[in-house]
Amino acid sequence: DTGVSQNPRHKITKRGQNVTFRCDPISEHNRLYWYRQTLGQGPEFLTYFQNEAQLEKSRLLSDRFSAERPKGSFSTLEIQRTEQGDSAMYLCASRTGTGSDYTFGSGTRLTVV
Amino acid sequence: GNSVTQMEGPVTLSEEAFLTINCTYTATGYPSLFWYVQYPGEGLQLLLKATKADDKGSNKGFEATYRKETTSFHLEKGSVQVSDSAVYFCALSISNFGNEKLTFGTGTRLTIIP
Repeated sequence: DTGVSQNPRHKITKRGQNVTFRCDPISEHNRLYWYRQTLGQGPEFLTYFQNEAQLEKSRLLSDRFSAERPKGSFSTLEIQRTEQGDSAMYLCASRTGTGSDYTFGSGTRLTVV
Repeated sequence: GNSVTQMEGPVTLSEEAFLTINCTYTATGYPSLFWYVQYPGEGLQLLLKATKADDKGSNKGFEATYRKETTSFHLEKGSVQVSDSAVYFCALSISNFGNEKLTFGTGTRLTIIP
């Protein structure tokens, strides 16, 4: 198992374009999280899935953001009509049950120009 | 709400120096506490954790003790190495119907000079 995989590693997009990121968690991990990390800050929680169900969304996740985990395996995070303020590192993490440790991916760095 | 305040950086030390990075927290309930490390170009890695008061987490020579009375979880290492250069994040989680999302501090960048 190669851990949590995120693609792409880097994405540069023009303001107003849509972007989609993918996260492949560790196969036996049923819980999946997205976090956002802006420069000089710690990661902030965006959303949480248990299997295919999205159980919690942060207020940070505006209407332009949508996340899915259609078969309880990989997940996608889409940002529509990107803005410069969306520029950040988007981190995915997965874990098994209650009390288990997180495993983080290396992240997708988004730059909106 | 829940929050974590950690020592602002950057911190620059000479090799073999003693390291302390301060971390305090505010939480409703009984959090678990964590230190994560982020090396350049990599994701966050769990360094150590403690799940209840007075627990001591330790790993790779780093230690931190969960102090409920001072709401603190300071990271220490007796003799740092150049390879310890990284960004360190203090974090907490509280179980909420199985979510246990993490709340992070702003991070402390540590640079060790040979």
